[in-house]
Amino acid sequence: LAKTTQPISMDSYEGQEVNITCSHNNIATNDYITWYQQFPSQGPRFIIQGYKTKVTNEVASLFIPADRKSSTLSLPRVSLSDTAVYYCLVGALVSSASKIIFGSGTRLSIRP
Amino acid sequence: NAGVTQTPKFQVLKTGQSMTLQCAQDMNHNSMYWYRQDPGMGLRLIYYSASEGTTDKGEVPNGYNVSRLNKREFSLRLESAAPSQTSVYFCASRDLGNQPQHFGDGTRLSIL
Repeated sequence: LAKTTQPISMDSYEGQEVNITCSHNNIATNDYITWYQQFPSQGPRFIIQGYKTKVTNEVASLFIPADRKSSTLSLPRVSLSDTAVYYCLVGALVSSASKIIFGSGTRLSIRP
Repeated sequence: NAGVTQTPKFQVLKTGQSMTLQCAQDMNHNSMYWYRQDPGMGLRLIYYSASEGTTDKGEVPNGYNVSRLNKREFSLRLESAAPSQTSVYFCASRDLGNQPQHFGDGTRLSIL
């Protein structure tokens, strides 16, 4: 299982773009990169997932360089409601027989 | 849509008591997972079940047992609760392929 490293915390302001980078040097060929968001007193919620290059959905973008040893979650124009913990996960999700391991996450605080 | 339902939401136990946490999903997912989350920490995988009839250990299985009762239900049992097991417990489920996990709202367990 590829280990991930993320910043422990980040601060930003409303309306800014926030980029959270995750390092995963030991990523395997069939590993996907998945990001989750967790609010206090709730379970994690899926944000975005990708394998290479760039993926974009209605809430975020995920940038993955060619070597796939890191990835960057980009949140455009954040608001106070984006204050949460963000987890980067790396694992082979092509089989249901997969352990899915969470790291410590990045605590993002958005200020007015 | 109920998604993943965990019961109970809160529980207080005395050291040495036993307890079963229940989890049910209505999405016809094959895989189910149990995690614990201690204050200020990430999620740690306790056990998972790739499919009905199979279970495997995660990172922190000691002191726990699980049962995959059927495709919908995956229970977690503490046979003799210890204060170190005070935590928030999350259940998750996932479909086949590279699909993300869906989480319940957690069970907050305190052991005195």
